[in-house]
Amino acid sequence: GQSLEQPSEVTAVEGAIVQINCTYQTSGFYGLSWYQQHDGGAPTFLSYNGLDGLEETGRFSSFLSRSDSYGYLLLQELQMKDSASYFCAVRQTGANNLFFGTGTRLTVIP
Amino acid sequence: GAVVSQHPSRVICKSGTSVKIECRSLDFQATTMFWYRQFPKKSLMLMATSNEGSKATYEQGVEKDKFLINHASLTLSTLTVTSAHPEDSSFYICSANRGDSSYEQYFGPGTRLTVT
Repeated sequence: GQSLEQPSEVTAVEGAIVQINCTYQTSGFYGLSWYQQHDGGAPTFLSYNGLDGLEETGRFSSFLSRSDSYGYLLLQELQMKDSASYFCAVRQTGANNLFFGTGTRLTVIP
Repeated sequence: GAVVSQHPSRVICKSGTSVKIECRSLDFQATTMFWYRQFPKKSLMLMATSNEGSKATYEQGVEKDKFLINHASLTLSTLTVTSAHPEDSSFYICSANRGDSSYEQYFGPGTRLTVT
């Protein structure tokens, strides 16, 4: 089976930087994705890592270390609208489906 | 970005009845769609992979006869919750890949099912 662990809650100040970690256990690892979900809304794609290293997309960056089965999402210049739940998700080799982590609820405070 | 729609957005039904939820890819063809279930403040749990023109692939622990999936066209997959019970109350979300090589999944807005 698959197992993805994330911190359940994180609180950060507007304008600051926050890092959300994800550790995973899975067979046939293919890549790690990050999704954002506001309350009552649909998850939206943020970033993807298929290889080790850092991927940067605007204020959001994501990192992957396949040898450590670990990744993180980095959010810079936090804004109030970034308050949401963030999920890491694993894609397995030979499959298009995703298995989601436990989710991290980020609260941005003034 | 690609658009995926779901209908209905909210549904309330009585225990014992069946409910059908539709998932449509509006501007692309999806040979594969996915159905997830999400409880309040919890993660998304993959229920099944819906394959156009063939049987769905269900995840372990998901009852095939309870959650009927049909993927009759490249733009439409349906999930029918049969003989619904209060414990089936949940948020059901579908998603689709734009292409087989795409790593990005596009999610529908979800359907809130309440069984009374």
